[in-house]
Amino acid sequence: EVLLLESGGGLVQPGGSLRLSCAASGFTFSDFHMSWVRQAPGKGLEWVSAVSGSGDTTYYADSVKGRFTISRDNSKNTLFLQMNSLRADDMAVYYCAKRIRPTGGHFEYWGQGTLVTVSS
Amino acid sequence: EVVMTQSPATLSVSPGERATLSCRASQSVTRNLVWYQQEPGQAPRVLIYGASTRATGIPARFSGSGSGTEFTLTISSLQSEDFAVYYCQQYSYWPLTFGGGTKVEIK
Repeated sequence: EVLLLESGGGLVQPGGSLRLSCAASGFTFSDFHMSWVRQAPGKGLEWVSAVSGSGDTTYYADSVKGRFTISRDNSKNTLFLQMNSLRADDMAVYYCAKRIRPTGGHFEYWGQGTLVTVSS
Repeated sequence: EVVMTQSPATLSVSPGERATLSCRASQSVTRNLVWYQQEPGQAPRVLIYGASTRATGIPARFSGSGSGTEFTLTISSLQSEDFAVYYCQQYSYWPLTFGGGTKVEIK
């Protein structure tokens, strides 16, 4: 059974930093691209970032480029999102998601999400 | 960036009636289109992928059609558990992009 378990969310002040983690199990983690998708309160879904199975290639939405860094530790089956210079519009539930194929397709599995609150 | 536009934003339907949801892409995404259902407080769930393939365990009352830039999700006879928000998403191009969602509510 595929499981994705996010952690690391919480309250942070504007301009602050936070590091999210996603512990994965039930599949060969290093084979798959992994993504972060977020959802602001009462709003729709927004893809944030993705990383290749090896970690060599990363992708970012324009809204977070230069502020967020995605990475992974394949020895620990864990995905990370380092978020710096946080703004009020970064406040959201952050989901980690696995695609159905190693390098493509739709998001087959989602975690339960972790809430990031940006407020002074 | 491929912009995904869903309509309507809200659809009021009576139980047992048919619901038709639309999704338009700003450029062709061939059939690389997925529909998700999301209930309050839950992660999205895959309903239809490849524009028309039902995911495992999804009832036959859900169907998808379309290709290129125009896509439709049809729920043939709404059940109480179908009142939720529905999102389309294209996976042809980076960045991956979602539509704004259609909320299906009880009339």
